[in-house]
Amino acid sequence: DADVTQTPRNRITKTGKRIMLECSQTKGHDRMYWYRQDPGLGLRLIYYSFDVKDINKGEISDGYSVSRQAQAKFSLSLESAIPNQTALYFCATSDLGGAYNEQFFGPGTRLTVL
Amino acid sequence: ELKVEQNPLFLSMQEGKNYTIYCNYSTTSDRLYWYRQDPGKSLESLFVLLSNGAVKQEGRLMASLDTKARLSTLHITAAVHDLSATYFCAPGGGADGLTFGKGTHLIIQP
Repeated sequence: DADVTQTPRNRITKTGKRIMLECSQTKGHDRMYWYRQDPGLGLRLIYYSFDVKDINKGEISDGYSVSRQAQAKFSLSLESAIPNQTALYFCATSDLGGAYNEQFFGPGTRLTVL
Repeated sequence: ELKVEQNPLFLSMQEGKNYTIYCNYSTTSDRLYWYRQDPGKSLESLFVLLSNGAVKQEGRLMASLDTKARLSTLHITAAVHDLSATYFCAPGGGADGLTFGKGTHLIIQP
């Protein structure tokens, strides 16, 4: 079984709809991250969380919100989706006690906003 | 604000050739990560470089880090088709997320 899972894997929605992307992990890591990837732009950080009570904005948080429901679950919401939020979204985790601060990525969610 | 520049952004090369991808970054970082991404797939960790002068090798790939020059390189030796992918570098040191380069899209042709 995958250590970091994301649901859904693909989603097509319409402008103005509310969308939630979910991330779960079985790695036991305390840190979780949401990134978006656009062609030619690499990955950009949206939000990150160090634990259930600690949520931080990243580089491009406008238009997004998050919820850390448990250590293992981190959800990303688009309250009112717009077409320029069409992108590939990745969840990642890392371990506070790890030697390398290495991040491990989920399989991604491809979101299309029409 | 940390800026990361990868060169080249696109590279087409023949099997058997050698080449180097460069990653320059703008502010001090004590470590650097290299990731590989296959089309439509997630990111796979390749190397974690932890200190100045660090060099790591895995098969035909070798990565190095010069923190004083704020430069990392990913060298490909005797390229094979299976190495075709997009490669990302990401300097980092803290826990507050990574800043990625735009990626180098590598195509290796027979």
